[in-house]
Formats: sequence, structure tokens, C-alpha cells
Amino acid sequence: AQSVAQPEDQVNVAEGNPLTVKCTYSVSGNPYLFWYVQYPNRGLQFLLKYITGDNLVKGSYGFEAEFNKSQTSFHLKKPSALVSDSALYFCAVRGNNAGNMLTFGGGTRLMVKP
Amino acid sequence: NAGVTQTPKFQVLKTGQSMTLQCAQDMNHNSMYWYRQDPGMGLRLIYYSASEGTTDKGEVPNGYNVSRLNKREFSLRLESAAPSQTSVYFCASKVAHTEAFFGQGTRLTVV
Repeated sequence: AQSVAQPEDQVNVAEGNPLTVKCTYSVSGNPYLFWYVQYPNRGLQFLLKYITGDNLVKGSYGFEAEFNKSQTSFHLKKPSALVSDSALYFCAVRGNNAGNMLTFGGGTRLMVKP
Repeated sequence: NAGVTQTPKFQVLKTGQSMTLQCAQDMNHNSMYWYRQDPGMGLRLIYYSASEGTTDKGEVPNGYNVSRLNKREFSLRLESAAPSQTSVYFCASKVAHTEAFFGQGTRLTVV
């Protein structure tokens, strides 16, 4: 079975500072990894994905994520946080399963303070 | 370009009532999914349909049924609603290794 852990329920960061939202995963076979963002009362929006290739993946809104196979991690990062980045962030993994199912972590609330 | 459309957006049910949540996608995706979102628990998969004509249980299927009506539409039915089914429901669709596209969600309250 595949699983995702987001160890922090909430991350607080000051505007302009770098941010990291952590994610670790467990899956058999090659992982396909995703980050989504959810703003209040909205659906999930895709940020970025790792399928294969470079371990550093760049995505929307200046976000990037680093795939680390040995640590089974896929942490989300941004060099300089904005207040508008405040939202709920979800990491997801897809392994080699029928239906291409995504398994989500519990989510991390990012609070960026001015 | 609508993407994934869910109806209704909000619903209040009494315990024991039934209802169907509708989902349609216009991206010609093979796979469709129903998730529920509860505070602190992320999104949990209820049912999925890998392709037209097939459906399978996810992590939390009890109390739900689904129908893959055609390639575009995938409905979720609650036959006898319970307060434990109060949640936000999301439909999603995808193909192969691409990202999933999500609808705007249905906020369901069972009283």
C-alpha cells in the first residue's frame, strides 16, 4: 500500500523568508509525486509533479520541490514567501496501481505573516 | 473550458435521506475519482473508475455507491445518509501519469 506523511499540521513563516513544507512517502516501484494547493472554499489546484528526471522540480507561483529517493521525501520549497501563499498544501503519491490512484497526505496549513 | 464540474455545491440532508452527487469532465480523461475531505485527514478515496464501464472501491467506500454513466460522468450516491458522511466531496479526473484535475467540491451536511 502507498502512503504519504506530512509531519507538520501548520507551518508559519514571515513574508520574504524561505519556506519548506515537508512530505515523505512510501510506495512500491517508481513514485509519481505531486503537490497541490487549496485556497478556502476551493478545489485543489496542481502546483508541480515529479515523474522522472531532475530531482529539483519547478512549478507554479515560484514553488519548487526536491525529490530525494534515499530519504523518500519530496519537500515543497519557495525562496521568498508571500502572504498570498497562505493556504492548505497537499502532497500526493501515485505508485504502480490500477486506476492510477493518488494517495494524499493529511495536508499542511501554511501561514505567511506580513 | 469547464474542466471538472460538480453539482450541487452545497447540500443539507436529514439522516436517512438519499442523494446523488454529479460529476462531469470534458477533458476526455479515462480515470475518475471521488474523494472526501475531512479536517486533519486530508483527502480519502471513496471510489474510482479506471475507465468507462469499471468501478472499484477506494479507502472508505462504506455507505456509498457509484456509477460511471459514460466517459464524461461519474456519480456518487448516498443511499441512506448518516451524520458521519458530513464532509466536503471532490471529484477528480486524470490520465496515466498526469496530474489530477479537481472539481470545486460539494459541501454536504447531514443532520
